[in-house]
Amino acid sequence: QVQLHESGPGLVKPSQTLSLTCTVSGGSISSGSYSWSWIRQPAGKGLEWIGHIYTSGNTNYNPSLKSRVTISVDTSKNQFSLKLSSVTAADTAVYYCARTDIVGVWAFDYWGQGTLVTVSS
Amino acid sequence: EIVLTQSPGTLSLSPGERATLSCRASQSVSNNYLAWYQQKPGQAPSLLIYGASSRATGIPDRFSGSGSGTDFTLTINRLEPEDFAVYYCQQYGSSPVTFGQGTKVEIK
Repeated sequence: QVQLHESGPGLVKPSQTLSLTCTVSGGSISSGSYSWSWIRQPAGKGLEWIGHIYTSGNTNYNPSLKSRVTISVDTSKNQFSLKLSSVTAADTAVYYCARTDIVGVWAFDYWGQGTLVTVSS
Repeated sequence: EIVLTQSPGTLSLSPGERATLSCRASQSVSNNYLAWYQQKPGQAPSLLIYGASSRATGIPDRFSGSGSGTDFTLTINRLEPEDFAVYYCQQYGSSPVTFGQGTKVEIK
């Protein structure tokens, strides 16, 4: 059974860089059949896709965040990571990592449990 | 960017009733890459429907999806107590990936 688990600081100061890691277990992140995404959800609000990475290293970001986002993958650790720079209070949210089956499903079939990141001084 | 508009915002129903949720796209969703998710409080969303009408693994057949192009529907027949939750549609046909704003199905 594939599992995803987010980790990283729960509190980040304004103007600093938010850094999160998603560890994948029960399957290899190196499979070319999947892409790996970050999605966030402010409290009481809807879902916003941040971006995704393929194991080739190719990335695609939401234009609304593109100037501040970097997603990378470490296949040796079966992990992928998110960096979001110059954060403000508006970046406070639960951050999820998720897998997309790009062969047939083209939807987020596995999700992490989410991690709350608060931006505050 | 494809904007997904879900309606209604809230649906008040009783167990055993049928829920009909709508998702309308601002432009056609390529390959009908339209999915539906269920989210309960404090939990991550979980996949119900992909490709507009295919049920994900383990999803009971009271959940069904239909539609194509710009108009999509999620139907939940015979609501069970565990079905009261927020439902989101999402498209993967065009970048950026986008979600609808959600429909809350609440107990009447």
